[in-house]
Amino acid sequence: SQQGEEDPQALSIQEGENATMNCSYKTSINNLQWYRQNSGRGLVHLILIRSNEREKHSGRLRVTLDTSKKSSSLLITASRAADTASYFCATDAGGQAGTALIFGKGTTLSVSS
Amino acid sequence: NAGVTQTPKFQVLKTGQSMTLQCAQDMNHNSMYWYRQDPGMGLRLIYYSASEGTTDKGEVPNGYNVSRLNKREFSLRLESAAPSQTSVYFCASTKGRAVNYGYTFGSGTRLTVV
Repeated sequence: SQQGEEDPQALSIQEGENATMNCSYKTSINNLQWYRQNSGRGLVHLILIRSNEREKHSGRLRVTLDTSKKSSSLLITASRAADTASYFCATDAGGQAGTALIFGKGTTLSVSS
Repeated sequence: NAGVTQTPKFQVLKTGQSMTLQCAQDMNHNSMYWYRQDPGMGLRLIYYSASEGTTDKGEVPNGYNVSRLNKREFSLRLESAAPSQTSVYFCASTKGRAVNYGYTFGSGTRLTVV
């Protein structure tokens, strides 16, 4: 069952531009996480935001969380070609899934130079 | 390097054959997970082990079995492979509850069943 759903499915931008991708989820959560997956590789954990936080930064990444709208956004500023990857949000469905995360289908970001 | 190691990286099976996918982590993590990734479907949870000695079914457990051999190792077995099991399989681990710490993923096993 899909908990998080990313939007858009695909995004193409130029180097130096900002990239914004969104995640909507269905049930209450404890935390929300974002992951990156480069082509042919495993996922890499980027950032975790707790349900009582509204915004979090890590380098060029900015994540926001709006629990009233059940949505989160990931902003990558000053994008680089190396940011080309798929990005996934993941949640825990408020504990109903035990200790396992449920992933969305991802946003594919392409950054061209 | 510390992390999650999956073997093999690639495998081709004939329908009906069996195989075991191996996963080992050296980070002293408590919880381990198996996901499959199919185009357009994202990652779907097959089985997980919240701690040594326990295993639980995920969203798509049919056709699979798992063994938490010890704290380090968590294997996934396909008893009678089917073409529908063609996928990329990822193992992941986490220190405690995934919701609090996030996952460390292996590099995946790309399985083709013909």
